Amino acid sequence: RKEVEQDPGPFNVPEGATVAFNCTYSNSASQSFFWYRQDCRKEPKLLMSVYSSGNEDGRFTAQLNRASQYISLLIRDSKLSDSATYLCVVNVAKAAGNKLTFGGGTRVLVKP
Amino acid sequence: DAGVIQSPRHEVTEMGQEVTLRCKPISGHDYLFWYRQTMMRGLELLIYFNNNVPIDDSGMPEDRFSAKMPNASFSTLKIQPSEPRDSAVYFCASSGPGTTNEQYFGPGTRLTVT
Repeated sequence: RKEVEQDPGPFNVPEGATVAFNCTYSNSASQSFFWYRQDCRKEPKLLMSVYSSGNEDGRFTAQLNRASQYISLLIRDSKLSDSATYLCVVNVAKAAGNKLTFGGGTRVLVKP
Repeated sequence: DAGVIQSPRHEVTEMGQEVTLRCKPISGHDYLFWYRQTMMRGLELLIYFNNNVPIDDSGMPEDRFSAKMPNASFSTLKIQPSEPRDSAVYFCASSGPGTTNEQYFGPGTRLTVT
C-alpha cells in the first residue's frame, strides 16, 4: 500500500463550480500535512498547510481527519487558472527523518 | 529574492555518459533535497542534506547515483553511467531554517538519456 494515495483524476470542473477531493495516508504517526500545486511542466509549489482544526485560504479549504487518516481539499468558485495537479504531502515524524512524502497527485481541469 | 536555481534546465545525453546536475538552494535554508519525477512513479525523494551533511540517501536508486553538497550554496547530483531509465525530471528543493516543511522547488532539470 502506498504511504499517500490520491485519486489521479482528472476532475473535470465547470468554471465557477466547487470541486473537492481527498487523500489518504497510511502512517498514523504522520504529523504535518500539506497541499502542493503543480502546473504542467513546472515545479511543485506549496499551496497551503493543513491544520487539525481545518483551515481556509480564500477559495481553498483544507480539512484533516486523523481518525480516518485522510485530508481533503475543496476549491470553491473554480477559476480556469485552478487547472493543475494537486499533490497531497505528508511529513511522517522525526523518527522517519522528517521527510515529506508526496502523493501521486489529483489532476483538476477547469473548463469554461 | 532568487529562488532555488538548477542547471542545466534540459540535458540530452547518450547511454553510458556521465551526467551532472547542479543546484543552488535559497540562501539561509539548511535543508536541501533531490527528487526525481516520472509519470510512472511520481515524485520520489532521492536524498536530502541538512547543513551540508547527507541525512538519508535511501531513495538513491543504485550506485550509479551520487550526490554531494560541498558548501551551503551548492549541491550536485551525478549519474555515472547514465541509462535510458534515468530519463526523468530532477528537482532540487530547499527548506529551513530548521524545518523540512514548506519546501521550495527549483524549476527542475529535464533529463533524456538515449
